[in-house]
Amino acid sequence: KNQVEQSPQSLIILEGKNCTLQCNYTVSPFSNLRWYKQDTGRGPVSLTIMTFSENTKSNGRYTATLDADTKQSSLHITASQLSDSASYICVVSAGKTGNQFYFGTGTSLTVIP
Amino acid sequence: DTGVSQDPRHKITKRGQNVTFRCDPISEHNRLYWYRQTLGQGPEFLTYFQNEAQLEKSRLLSDRFSAERPKGSFSTLEIQRTEQGDSAMYLCASILGSSGMNEQYFGPGTRLTVT
Repeated sequence: KNQVEQSPQSLIILEGKNCTLQCNYTVSPFSNLRWYKQDTGRGPVSLTIMTFSENTKSNGRYTATLDADTKQSSLHITASQLSDSASYICVVSAGKTGNQFYFGTGTSLTVIP
Repeated sequence: DTGVSQDPRHKITKRGQNVTFRCDPISEHNRLYWYRQTLGQGPEFLTYFQNEAQLEKSRLLSDRFSAERPKGSFSTLEIQRTEQGDSAMYLCASILGSSGMNEQYFGPGTRLTVT
């Protein structure tokens, strides 16, 4: 069964600290893996997209890693800001054309001053 | 603002009523997706269009749900005889082209509350 699991479910950190979110997947055939940020009441916004051949990709203070062998990904946020408070969703795209998307349940991150 | 718009942003309806949502994707985006998201969960796939053709529907899309994209531009999602379990955020997303690596742009969603 195609599944995407994320941990932790929720996380509270102090402003300025770093954090790492985890994503494990069992999706086949794998096309690519995406991380999205979703603010409360809004649609998700893309942070990174990685294929199986990419180990790491950065977008500002966000760095995603991918281990296609173990089917694990992580999203590392450095020097957190209050505006980073959001849900972070891991999405795995499957199929030959990558038209099928499997979403994790998200990690709710709260950054406190 | 991603360029994908949805209308209305919020809808409150009584159980048993029909509702229709509209999604306007980014111009020239040929792929359009509908998702449903409940509180604390990730979006769940409902259906997918390539241009005007509905290529895939989830088992979640019961007979009470229907989606159209008549001219390959905007799309509508209709729910007939709404139930309380239909209360959720309905998200629309669009993608340009056929590459699996292309960016998926989400709209702000329509929040449905069935009383």
